[in-house]
Amino acid sequence: DQQVKQNSPSLSVQEGRISILNCDYTNSMFDYFLWYKKYPAEGPTFLISISSIKDKNEDGRFTVFLNKSAKHLSLHIVPSQPGDSAVYFCAASGYTGGFKTIFGAGTRLFVKA
Amino acid sequence: DTEVTQTPKHLVMGMTNKKSLKCEQHMGHRAMYWYKQKAKKPPELMFVYSYEKLSINESVPSRFSPECPNSSLLNLHLHALQPEDSALYLCASSQTPGVAGGRETQYFGPGTRLLVL
Repeated sequence: DQQVKQNSPSLSVQEGRISILNCDYTNSMFDYFLWYKKYPAEGPTFLISISSIKDKNEDGRFTVFLNKSAKHLSLHIVPSQPGDSAVYFCAASGYTGGFKTIFGAGTRLFVKA
Repeated sequence: DTEVTQTPKHLVMGMTNKKSLKCEQHMGHRAMYWYKQKAKKPPELMFVYSYEKLSINESVPSRFSPECPNSSLLNLHLHALQPEDSALYLCASSQTPGVAGGRETQYFGPGTRLLVL
């Protein structure tokens, strides 16, 4: 049972345009959400996070939106750059039988120059 | 220093071998994690150590044996693995053990790519 779902395995965007990556979760015990970025042959690196008491968090070109009622979050990248091409993992964190972070399957973003 | 290091980077082992994966961090983090990641799948939590004590074991088979000898080191001892155990093994650490619900950012190492023949 996937508790964190990223339904788009890949996304292709033109440089300078907006990239929108989506994530859905099922467990209402999650109260903190994170996005990680992963390049080949490297471990995931933290990108941005949001607490469940907020609905938006912005850091430079990256903005995460949280819709708790829909159990949905999204990552917006504006403007997209070729260096943003990577796999993006959504993660949800909280107490589910102990503190855990559950990852989605990832979305591979291609930013075309 | 915000780096988590893992050795070796690659490991090939037979099903009767015994090997160990090592992970090290010097950020003063008191929570450390092992994840397993198969191709095109998310990282899956295996073990969590909190203040050098095992706090979560996600029903991992006993052929995987974690060890946390001190606050900077985390080992994963492997014995009698199966070919289906071939995967990328990721180590991560975070600042506090998530008492209040896991708000900590996890810092990941580059992983050890394991192939079991």
